[in-house]
Amino acid sequence: ETGVTQSPTHLIKTRGQQVTLRCSSQSGHNTVSWYQQALGQGPQFIFQYYREEENGRGNFPPRFSGLQFPNYSSELNVNALELDDSALYLCASSRLAGEMVEETQYFGPGTRLLVL
Amino acid sequence: TQLLEQSPQFLSIQEGENLTVYCNSSSVFSSLQWYRQEPGEGPVLLVTVVTGGEVKKLKRLTFQFGDARKDSSLHITAAQPGDTGLYLCAGFTSGTYKYIFGTGTRLKVLA
Repeated sequence: ETGVTQSPTHLIKTRGQQVTLRCSSQSGHNTVSWYQQALGQGPQFIFQYYREEENGRGNFPPRFSGLQFPNYSSELNVNALELDDSALYLCASSRLAGEMVEETQYFGPGTRLLVL
Repeated sequence: TQLLEQSPQFLSIQEGENLTVYCNSSSVFSSLQWYRQEPGEGPVLLVTVVTGGEVKKLKRLTFQFGDARKDSSLHITAAQPGDTGLYLCAGFTSGTYKYIFGTGTRLKVLA
C-alpha cells in the first residue's frame, strides 16, 4: 500500500505567477482534500474532490482551483499568486464509502510554496 | 462558522511530566481526529474518536471525546523529548464532508 505523495516538495514563485501542485492519493482512496497551512497555524481547508468533482470548498477565492483525475490523483492550481499565498500546501486522501461516510484521511508531506 | 480552539497554544515541559491539551468547539462533530506534525512534514494521524464519551489509549497518550461530541482532550503521561511537535485536532461533520482543524498546540519536551 503506497502512501500519499506530493510534488514538488518546494517551490519559489513571484507575485502574479501561476502554480500547479500535484498529489497522488493513497491506494484504494477515492477522495482528495487540499489544505493551506501558514507558518505556525493549523491547516485551512481549501476544497475536496470526489469522483472528479468538487465536493466542498472552504473560504478561498476562485483563483484557487483543482482537478481530480480518473486514477484519483489531483492537482491544485493557484493563479495570480500573492505574497500571502506562501504556505505549506497539504493534500489528504480518504475513502468515501456509502453515503455521507468518510473514513480517516491521510496526509502527504506537503509542498512548501514561497511567493516573492 | 465552525471553529476549534486548542489550548494551550504553546507548552514547554520537562521530560517525565504529564500534560493535557484541550480542543473545544461550540459545534457537534461526527468524529474528531488528533494529529502530530513535525516541521516541514504533513500531519500524521494519531487517533480518531467517533462516539461521545469515547476514550482511546495509544501507549502514553490518552484521548477522550466529549459526551456531546463538541470537545476532546489529549493527555500525555511521562512526556519524552520524542513527543515534541505540533499537535492538531480536527473535527469532521459528515454533512459538509469537511475537516475543521484546530489552531494547534506546539509542545516542546526538554530532556
